[in-house]
Amino acid sequence: SYEVTQPLSVSVALGQTARIACERNNIGNKNVHWYQKKPGQAPVLVIYRDTNRPSGIPERFSGSNSGNTATLTISRAQAGDEADFYCQVWDSKIVVFGGGTKLTVL
Amino acid sequence: EVQLVESGGGLIQPGGSLRLSCAASEFTVSSNYMSWVRQAPGKGLEWISVIYSDGDGGDTYYTDSVKGRFTISRDISKNTMYLQMNSLRVEDTAVYYCAGVGVVISSSDALDIWGQGTMVTVSS
Repeated sequence: SYEVTQPLSVSVALGQTARIACERNNIGNKNVHWYQKKPGQAPVLVIYRDTNRPSGIPERFSGSNSGNTATLTISRAQAGDEADFYCQVWDSKIVVFGGGTKLTVL
Repeated sequence: EVQLVESGGGLIQPGGSLRLSCAASEFTVSSNYMSWVRQAPGKGLEWISVIYSDGDGGDTYYTDSVKGRFTISRDISKNTMYLQMNSLRVEDTAVYYCAGVGVVISSSDALDIWGQGTMVTVSS
């Protein structure tokens, strides 16, 4: 089965830049989407098709995808950004989520 | 307002059955891919099932752990998607979310609209 790998946790100082990786061989050939999940809330799409932000998502959120790694970048991190983040692709007609990364803002 | 509203969760004994509903507003469930995703306590998001749009044949797919036990379907007249869950196991305990694909962002295959989630607890 198709799997994508994320780090379990990433820490970032308040106001600094956080980068969350999503890795798989040749993931650059796929569209990668990113979701933010806070406790007790539904997931929210923050990046779609590698680099695009839905309406209402701050410009501080950006994405890239090349080679074997897709990356979600959160600039000027705020306390309110603390959450779990999941990458997602489609493979063989089904949805595949990464294992999720817990972002801690120090 | 485009939205999804889930219902049907609850406490059920192992081996029992439950049907979850996901009612859509301001868009047509049959015109979009629709999916179910769950999150067990302390775990990550787990994709469960997808039903394709009518235009793409309405095919259905499942993750291996629920194949043969869960069935995804939709009722066009009620604009509602369902997840029939049979032979429930303790490990099916989770918050279940329905999600729509490319509903808000029509050019995308992202899950761009989500329901609020409904809790399913399988326990004796």
